[in-house]
Amino acid sequence: DAKTTQPNSMESNEEEPVHLPCNHSTISGTDYIHWYRQLPSQGPEYVIHGLTSNVNNRMASLAIAEDRKSSTLILHRATLRDAAVYYCILRGGGSQGNLIFGKGTKLSVKP
Amino acid sequence: KAGVTQTPRYLIKTRGQQVTLSCSPISGHRSVSWYQQTPGQGLQFLFEYFSETQRNKGNFPGRFSGRQFSNSRSEMNVSTLELGDSALYLCASRPLASGAKRTDTQYFGPGTRLTVL
Repeated sequence: DAKTTQPNSMESNEEEPVHLPCNHSTISGTDYIHWYRQLPSQGPEYVIHGLTSNVNNRMASLAIAEDRKSSTLILHRATLRDAAVYYCILRGGGSQGNLIFGKGTKLSVKP
Repeated sequence: KAGVTQTPRYLIKTRGQQVTLSCSPISGHRSVSWYQQTPGQGLQFLFEYFSETQRNKGNFPGRFSGRQFSNSRSEMNVSTLELGDSALYLCASRPLASGAKRTDTQYFGPGTRLTVL
């Protein structure tokens, strides 16, 4: 699976939108972009995934660049509960069943 | 549906001992994966089981082993514990073992916190 690059940490204010970037310049045409997050003292949880088009679900939106070399996870209104480590993961046609986690972005949310 | 459950949640062992951790996947999920999380190395894949067979393995020594039962429940065992084995051990389940690897979702349990003294 191709490599991703994320900032180590980001800060946000409560009730403001948050844009979490992920660079994946070596992405292949069949790689899906997945986001997971890990809240303190919990296991990771799935957030969203996409291939080419922007995606929305109840948790977040995923904006994918036209050249697919980068993507942005958007939390529309951050809450204190969104403070977590966010992981951007690529899964391609050759993927095995496991996820390959990088260091992720630690998001802090200020009241 | 109940989520992935792991037991015990916390465990303290001493060097040289062995330990067995248990994972019950979401009902209907047949694939179980194990991960180790440490502050230094982050989240690392240990192994995946499907239909009682190990399908994939990460880069860990043979002291780490696992198995899966016919009801999809899984156990992992670490023998001859070392201080560096102190970690959060996470189990994840997913419904399929093939075909949808690019798009399927993994569901994680809360983990077992192992401390080796």
